[in-house]
Amino acid sequence: EAAVTQSPRNKVAVTGGKVTLSCNQTNNHNNMYWYRQDTGHGLRLIHYSYGAGSTEKGDIPDGYKASRPSQENFSLILELATPSQTSVYFCASGESYTEVFFGKGTRLTVV
Amino acid sequence: AQKVTQTQTSISVMEKTTVTMDCVYETQDSSYFLFWYKQTASGEIVFLIRQDSYKKENATVGHYSLNFQKPKSSIGLIITATQIEDSAVYFCAMREGNNNRIFFGDGTQLVVKP
Repeated sequence: EAAVTQSPRNKVAVTGGKVTLSCNQTNNHNNMYWYRQDTGHGLRLIHYSYGAGSTEKGDIPDGYKASRPSQENFSLILELATPSQTSVYFCASGESYTEVFFGKGTRLTVV
Repeated sequence: AQKVTQTQTSISVMEKTTVTMDCVYETQDSSYFLFWYKQTASGEIVFLIRQDSYKKENATVGHYSLNFQKPKSSIGLIITATQIEDSAVYFCAMREGNNNRIFFGDGTQLVVKP
C-alpha cells in the first residue's frame, strides 16, 4: 500500500502568517491531491498535480497555493492564513484510473 | 451540482446484521471508477473497495460488497455481519475516465451497536 506522509500533523498558526503543509509519498504515484475536511462535510479538493512541476486548481483554491517540486513531494501553502482556513487537511496520491491513498491528515488551527 | 450524493447522513444497526449505504453519482463519461472509503474515529481515511464502470460483476472484498446499478447511476455499499469496529464514516467517490479529479460524497455515519 502507498505510504503518504504529512507533516506537521498539528499546527497552530497566527492570522496573516504563512503556513506550509508538506506531503511526501513513496510509491512513485503521478497524481497528488490536497483536500480539506470541515466538520460535517466531505472532502473538498483544493489543488492537485499530475506530476513534478504541475499544479491544478481544484474546487476551492482561493487562499491556497500548491507546489510540486518532485514526484514525491507536494506542498500546500497558505500565504496569509485566516481563521476560515482552520480545518483538517488531507494529502492523497494515486495513479490514473485507480483509487488514491490518503495521509493521516494535518489539523490546522489559525488563531 | 454535486457529482456524488449520499443521502443517508447517519445509520444505526445492530452488530452482526447487514447494512446498505446508498450513493448516486452524476457523469457524462462512458468510463468511470467508483470507490468507497472508510474514515475511522482517529480520522484516518482508508480505501475499501472499487467498481469499474465497464465491469458488470459487483465487486466484493471481505465482508464488503457493492450493488452497482448502472442505469440508476447508483453504487451501494453492503456490509455483511457488521462488527463494532465497522462504526465509522463511509465516503463514496467517483473518478471520471478522462479526468484525474476524484469527487467525494459528504459521507454516511455508521454506528454499529452491540
